[in-house]
Amino acid sequence: AQRVTQPEKLLSVFKGAPVELKCNYSYSGSPELFWYVQYSRQRLQLLLRHISRESIKGFTADLNKGETSFHLKKPFAQEEDSAMYYCALRGNNDMRFGAGTRLTVKP
Amino acid sequence: SQTIHQWPATLVQPVGSPLSLECTVEGTSNPNLYWYRQAAGRGLQLLFYSVGIGQISSEVPQNLSASRPQDRQFILSSKKLLLSDSGFYLCAWSVWGGAPLHFGNGTRLTVT
Repeated sequence: AQRVTQPEKLLSVFKGAPVELKCNYSYSGSPELFWYVQYSRQRLQLLLRHISRESIKGFTADLNKGETSFHLKKPFAQEEDSAMYYCALRGNNDMRFGAGTRLTVKP
Repeated sequence: SQTIHQWPATLVQPVGSPLSLECTVEGTSNPNLYWYRQAAGRGLQLLFYSVGIGQISSEVPQNLSASRPQDRQFILSSKKLLLSDSGFYLCAWSVWGGAPLHFGNGTRLTVT
């Protein structure tokens, strides 16, 4: 079965602190994973994808096939990072999302 | 450039009434199209996806149906709404393959 798990519904950190949003997946094939973000009053949008292996807005995510994880990390959180974050897994033609984590970065 | 339009933005309907939500994509051909429902604490639930005209895959058996009458048009429907159909519905598109999704602004549906 294709499944994405984000264990934390809420995450709160102070500005400048490191942040890690957890994502675990289950998929029998070769996974393709994404992180999407929804800022207040904006559309849900792509943040990054694992095949790009890039850093976007200071965020990185590494696919760990052994642990079936794709955690999102940023060394120094900023207030503008406060948003809803969704981890997603692409199957054959569909895209499955986790329940999401609401990140709040406090000043 | 590609754009996605979803309407209406908000909708209040009585129980038992029909539903039709429309989504159109511009600037691309033969997109994959998706309907999701976003619920607090449950994330994004995939309802339907389509890889071509008339091709609909349903993920969750329920009171809703989807149709794709044209290449870039995707419609979410119901013959009789239930209270449990209330929620935030998102349409999205992607090109074929491992491309990311592009989302519409969503429709807030309240069934009373």
